[in-house]
Amino acid sequence: DAGITQSPRHKVTETGTPVTLRCHQTENHRYMYWYRQDPGHGLRLIHYSYGVKDTDKGEVSDGYSVSRSKTEDFLLTLESATSSQTSVYFCAISAQGAGANVLTFGAGSRLTVL
Amino acid sequence: AQRVTQPEKLLSVFKGAPVELKCNYSYSGSPELFWYVQYSRQRLQLLLRHISRESIKGFTADLNKGETSFHLKKPFAQEEDSAMYYCALWGYSTLTFGKGTMLLVSP
Repeated sequence: DAGITQSPRHKVTETGTPVTLRCHQTENHRYMYWYRQDPGHGLRLIHYSYGVKDTDKGEVSDGYSVSRSKTEDFLLTLESATSSQTSVYFCAISAQGAGANVLTFGAGSRLTVL
Repeated sequence: AQRVTQPEKLLSVFKGAPVELKCNYSYSGSPELFWYVQYSRQRLQLLLRHISRESIKGFTADLNKGETSFHLKKPFAQEEDSAMYYCALWGYSTLTFGKGTMLLVSP
């Protein structure tokens, strides 16, 4: 579906544990994004990547790191999860370029930190 | 910095009534604006973009640079329009979203 998959789709973890969310695309798009969705806040950008090993911070990057070792995979890591990181995480991809600034979203990963 | 404001958290209308979801933006460059929609238990999807100037599912949106607005309109709401709607602004290789407006259409 849309060439983008996220895993895991649901995860419950405890405060202080590391968590990694994976985004995989089959579209060969250059740009990949991680957003979090929270009631009353909408979607906020965490990190994004504009190529292999090229990443940049978004609006709410504290407590998160990312890695992109190949075009198709973009990993989001919470080094030490906190309850404030309980959220739904969305990955998105974009080809960019003239007339192509459209994001395609994954199905989301629901993370609960107890 | 770029900013998108959606003043209404919730908009509740009856079927057949007109709908207008408000969106205002702040951006120093030439804006590129979008509306995304998220139906219950589904992923976020593009509804329309201003450069296309098209009507999708009966919805339209006109960019008003003077008022820095990109309001979403539909003349006759349907129950299947019930969803969360996000206005978004493209800039600096990223998409900035508003906080969203939940549209509820009652029979």
